[in-house]
Amino acid sequence: QKEVEQDPGPLSVPEGAIVSLNCTYSNSAFQYFMWYRQYSRKGPELLMYTYSSGNKEDGRFTAQVDKSSKYISLFIRDSQPSDSATYLCAMSGGGNNRLAFGKGNQVVVIP
Amino acid sequence: SAVISQKPSRDICQRGTSLTIQCQVDSQVTMMFWYRQQPGQSLTLIATANQGSEATYESGFVIDKFPISRPNLTFSTLTVSNMSPEDSSIYLCSVEYRGDYGYTFGSGTRLTVV
Repeated sequence: QKEVEQDPGPLSVPEGAIVSLNCTYSNSAFQYFMWYRQYSRKGPELLMYTYSSGNKEDGRFTAQVDKSSKYISLFIRDSQPSDSATYLCAMSGGGNNRLAFGKGNQVVVIP
Repeated sequence: SAVISQKPSRDICQRGTSLTIQCQVDSQVTMMFWYRQQPGQSLTLIATANQGSEATYESGFVIDKFPISRPNLTFSTLTVSNMSPEDSSIYLCSVEYRGDYGYTFGSGTRLTVV
């Protein structure tokens, strides 16, 4: 079983829709959970991070962590064409700085 | 957050040759990380580079293939040696930044080996 599972299937939504992305993981030592956004031909940029379980909201973005289920989610409200990118989940913990990444979801927001 | 300049942004190389990728950070950082991003795959950590010590390589990556230099707190290089088409990938450097927990990435080097 891979440490982090993220269904890489592309996701197309109409502008204004809610985008829902999620990852599951197997390592119970993970405590830091991140979402990165990667535009084409660019490096990943940190979008959201949460520590341990709970929700975090930043504008149109909400990150949720459920450690009991080893499940994290990212929601994008009122999606815009500029949100079209690949979204990668990442996590770390257990005493080292190594990040474990999901494969990424390509999101296309159609005007 | 730190700003990373990574060079070259892309290259096409002949098999059997080597390519050195440079990563320059605008502030001093203790650890720098090198990743590989293959199509349809997760970002995979190649090695962690600390200034003044040997790089620490992840399972499946060896120093002979991916030698790393870290001469000071703002600069590192990754060399991809004796390249084969299987080395075609995006290579990214990353640093941890203070304040909000997270990592900054360079824009990546898109390598094609022919």
